[in-house]
Amino acid sequence: QKEVEQNSGPLSVPEGAIASLNCTYSDRGSQSFFWYRQYSGKSPELIMSIYSNGDKEDGRFTAQLNKASQYVSLLIRDSQPSDSATYLCAVQGSGSSNTGKLIFGQGTTLQVKP
Amino acid sequence: NAGVTQTPKFRILKIGQSMTLQCAQDMNHNYMYWYRQDPGMGLKLIYYSVGAGITDKGEVPNGYNVSRSTTEDFPLRLELAAPSQTSVYFCASSHRPDTQYFGPGTRLTVL
Repeated sequence: QKEVEQNSGPLSVPEGAIASLNCTYSDRGSQSFFWYRQYSGKSPELIMSIYSNGDKEDGRFTAQLNKASQYVSLLIRDSQPSDSATYLCAVQGSGSSNTGKLIFGQGTTLQVKP
Repeated sequence: NAGVTQTPKFRILKIGQSMTLQCAQDMNHNYMYWYRQDPGMGLKLIYYSVGAGITDKGEVPNGYNVSRSTTEDFPLRLELAAPSQTSVYFCASSHRPDTQYFGPGTRLTVL
């Protein structure tokens, strides 16, 4: 069973700090990785995708990927109270039978305190 | 552009009843998905479709059925509802097989 693991939290950071969210995955052949943000009672929203080892930056968000360690992370700089949400890590499984299918972690709840 | 729409928003079913959750998208996406999300958990894939007439099972298909007669619509059928099917159901669609856009969800309670 392919798995995606996240610490459920809650992760609490003060406003203006860097929030670091982590995710590990079991399928060594995975090539596509995603971070979704889900506000309470709402649907998930894609915020970042990453496909290559290294860092990818988009505004205050940076996704980091290390395929050798099977590890993907999301950094949120200058955290704001509006960033308080659950962050879901998703991984596309390898092999043709998994095309288009994402495996989601259980999510990490982030609380940014003013 | 409405994106992905789902109806109903809320529903309460009695054990053994059946219902269809509706999902539609107006983005001409080939890929469509049904997920369920239990409290404090991630999303579990129920069924997915890569185009009209083509569907396949996900992780948790038991107790559900789907059809895809058009590109736009992807209804999810629950037969003989059970309390274990109490969940929030999300439909999603994508043009590429990875970037998925989610509908607002349907909250289903089975009593």
